[in-house]
Amino acid sequence: SQELEQSPQSLIVQEGKNLTINCTSSKTLYGLYWYKQKYGEGLIFLMMLQKGGEEKSHEKITAKLDEKKQQSSLHITASQPSHAGIYLCGAVPFNFGNEKLTFGTGTRLTIIP
Amino acid sequence: SAVISQKPSRDICQRGTSLTIQCQVDSQVTMMFWYRQQPGQSLTLIATANQGSEATYESGFVIDKFPISRPNLTFSTLTVSNMSPEDSSIYLCSAGTGPFDTQYFGPGTRLTVL
Repeated sequence: SQELEQSPQSLIVQEGKNLTINCTSSKTLYGLYWYKQKYGEGLIFLMMLQKGGEEKSHEKITAKLDEKKQQSSLHITASQPSHAGIYLCGAVPFNFGNEKLTFGTGTRLTIIP
Repeated sequence: SAVISQKPSRDICQRGTSLTIQCQVDSQVTMMFWYRQQPGQSLTLIATANQGSEATYESGFVIDKFPISRPNLTFSTLTVSNMSPEDSSIYLCSAGTGPFDTQYFGPGTRLTVL
């Protein structure tokens, strides 16, 4: 089965600093989703990556998928308190038509003013 | 994009009772899923809700414990049956319209079983 490892598990960053969260798969990724979850709430879709080497940005958040499609990184520039939450990567396993997502362990991000 | 609502948003239930969670999507979708998020944990897929047929359950989840209905392309229910404190979790539904399409999530139902 697909296994996703996220690092770090938690991150405390001063406001204004940059940070990176990683998501590593044991198998080739067919699609990789990044979500953000506020404590005890639903998931907010951030980005989806599909092609090796792909990079997408939304406001101050950039996500990349490596060429081998086994690792993705999420980078936040000039962090703000609104970025605080739990970041989850979710993967579509490499078999066409299977859209079930397997989720990573999550990274809890705290922003210090 | 799809907007997903869930009811109830939270509930506190007694051991041995059952709770039905509703998931409503504002547009027709192909795929609907139910996930469980236990305290401090990531999401685990319970089942795929299939329109007009029985749900497809993941390993470790059975129909008797988590019966699911999906009568049409915009609505699904998940029932947590004969609850125990171990069922205390956030239950989330998600929906998508096909491979590589974004999966959107509902706000979740926070269940506490006493």
